[in-house]
Amino acid sequence: KNQVEQSPQSLIILEGKNCTLQCNYTVSPFSNLRWYKQDTGRGPVSLTIMTFSENTKSNGRYTATLDADTKQSSLHITASQLSDSASYICVVSAMGSARQLTFGSGTQLTVLP
Amino acid sequence: DADVTQTPRNRITKTGKRIMLECSQTKGHDRMYWYRQDPGLGLRLIYYSFDVKDINKGEISDGYSVSRQAQAKFSLSLESAIPNQTALYFCATSETPGQGQETQYFGPGTRLLVL
Repeated sequence: KNQVEQSPQSLIILEGKNCTLQCNYTVSPFSNLRWYKQDTGRGPVSLTIMTFSENTKSNGRYTATLDADTKQSSLHITASQLSDSASYICVVSAMGSARQLTFGSGTQLTVLP
Repeated sequence: DADVTQTPRNRITKTGKRIMLECSQTKGHDRMYWYRQDPGLGLRLIYYSFDVKDINKGEISDGYSVSRQAQAKFSLSLESAIPNQTALYFCATSETPGQGQETQYFGPGTRLLVL
């Protein structure tokens, strides 16, 4: 069964600090991996997408890494801001149709002033 | 204006009632999806449609039905609501992928409470 596990479940950091969120997956055959940001009361918004051949991708202060051999990804947030407080969801796509999208349960990040 | 809109944003209903959640999009995408989100769980796919007249069951379609009235509209119905259908429901759209890298764009969600 395809699965996506995220850790930690929740994280509290101070404004200005860096943090790293983890994603482990057992999705096969692998197509791509996305990180989404979901603000409270809103739908998820895509941050990055990586295919098998990409091992790092940045979007401003967000940097995602992918190790397709160990089936792990991380999302690193640099110089956190209060607006980074949100749930971060890892989504892995398998080759095939839309039903092959597997969502993690998310990491709830809280940035305190 | 938002690209993907959902109505209503909040709904309280009673067990056994039929309700409909509506989704509209102005992105011009062919593909539309309905998901539900429960605390501590990842989003789960209920139904999806790749074009008008195309309807496909997702992971958890039992107790739900959908209608794709037009390219821009995709509605989700609960024929006889039950309490364990209390959840946050999201509509999403995506364009037909060229290289398998389609990104899904989500609506703001509908919070449903079934008493």
